[in-house]
Amino acid sequence: DTGVSQNPRHKITKRGQNVTFRCDPISEHNRLYWYRQTLGQGPEFLTYFQNEAQLEKSRLLSDRFSAERPKGSFSTLEIQRTEQGDSAMYLCASSLPAGQGGEKLFFGSGTQLSVL
Amino acid sequence: SQKIEQNSEALNIQEGKTATLTCNYTNYSPAYLQWYRQDPGRGPVFLLLIRENEKEKRKERLKVTFDTTLKQSLFHITASQPADSATYLCALAPTNNNDMRFGAGTRLTVKP
Repeated sequence: DTGVSQNPRHKITKRGQNVTFRCDPISEHNRLYWYRQTLGQGPEFLTYFQNEAQLEKSRLLSDRFSAERPKGSFSTLEIQRTEQGDSAMYLCASSLPAGQGGEKLFFGSGTQLSVL
Repeated sequence: SQKIEQNSEALNIQEGKTATLTCNYTNYSPAYLQWYRQDPGRGPVFLLLIRENEKEKRKERLKVTFDTTLKQSLFHITASQPADSATYLCALAPTNNNDMRFGAGTRLTVKP
């Protein structure tokens, strides 16, 4: 399967702990996005990479959140000092460059985070 | 403020009928609009894209319209089937596709 892969699928943690999620995009995609989705809502944009450069960050991404894409391939999203309000599905998506079909996003199945 | 509103949280229809979902937006000037399908526990899956200079786009049983004057898109599924039951998301993006915003979605249930 050559789709977007996210690990882990589920994560349960205690409040105050740090968690890290991984996303492996489709190999030829240079753009990578992180979204957060809560029940009954659409995905909310968090941040976006083009290759290894983080080009945009939402105001939703507090200083407890950090994302990296060190070699322009896989990406990690870390949440420090988790809070119960961080409980959500964290979705990763990737796309081709603009002008080459980059409008279409391919999503992974997400990581469901539960903070107790 | 910018808003994307999908007409209802849930829509129930009978198999074989046409489902019509609405997406309205304010304070956006999107270069294009997209529709995605999302099944429980899965990420959204791209269905259709329509550009600002297009009025209508079709793909098999799906049809999308885009009225930039009304700031509205309609998404139709004809001859609906129970397998079409899912949440459908409307998404808008500026030209650079850096900051795609999604509506809350409409949960469609097609009853046999």
